[in-house]
Amino acid sequence: GAVVSQHPSWVICKSGTSVKIECRSLDFQATTMFWYRQFPKQSLMLMATSNEGSKATYEQGVEKDKFLINHASLTLSTLTVTSAHPEDSSFYICSARGDLRSGPGEDEQFFGPGTRLTVL
Amino acid sequence: QKEVEQDPGPLSVPEGAIVSLNCTYSNSAFQYFMWYRQYSRKGPELLMYTYSSGNKEDGRFTAQVDKSSKYISLFIRDSQPSDSATYLCAMSGTYKYIFGTGTRLKVLA
Repeated sequence: GAVVSQHPSWVICKSGTSVKIECRSLDFQATTMFWYRQFPKQSLMLMATSNEGSKATYEQGVEKDKFLINHASLTLSTLTVTSAHPEDSSFYICSARGDLRSGPGEDEQFFGPGTRLTVL
Repeated sequence: QKEVEQDPGPLSVPEGAIVSLNCTYSNSAFQYFMWYRQYSRKGPELLMYTYSSGNKEDGRFTAQVDKSSKYISLFIRDSQPSDSATYLCAMSGTYKYIFGTGTRLKVLA
């Protein structure tokens, strides 16, 4: 099956610093990548959708200047949390969607293992 | 009203039991229905992906979709302690997934 990786898997940073998280599709080309945030014991909340070579589309309530998303290639998207604060501490998960097949399966997203961010 | 409703649990069952997990939804535009398993501090793992109403079976897992009632289910037969995890339902109409809150399942040995 399709594999999506994330790096780093865990990061601790000081308040006010910026953190970059990478999401890679290892064995397929991802036309669209998604970034989610998950707080403890809560569900995944979509933050933004990015298509290769174009600006990301952010969900309501997500600050685009704080969460910078770059989808420079069909296999890599990055999320940069700028000027991180303790309330940004969360589990960040990316997913990727590619044209792997036609028919009903074409909507399938493949998830990365997540990145745990702790801001001190 | 949330678009997707899922009982958060926790649900505790003895090993070998049949587990039933459910989600209801309000948006009739949803066409794709997924079940994910998520272990603590890990990313979601796709278990089942269904497109139409009816049943889909894969090993010990059966997914059921009833579009007329806007209700989906996941059944786990012969549950094992290793099945202990959070199970998330997800739905989409176009490309955007809407997740349920997840049900925490604990299978007791």
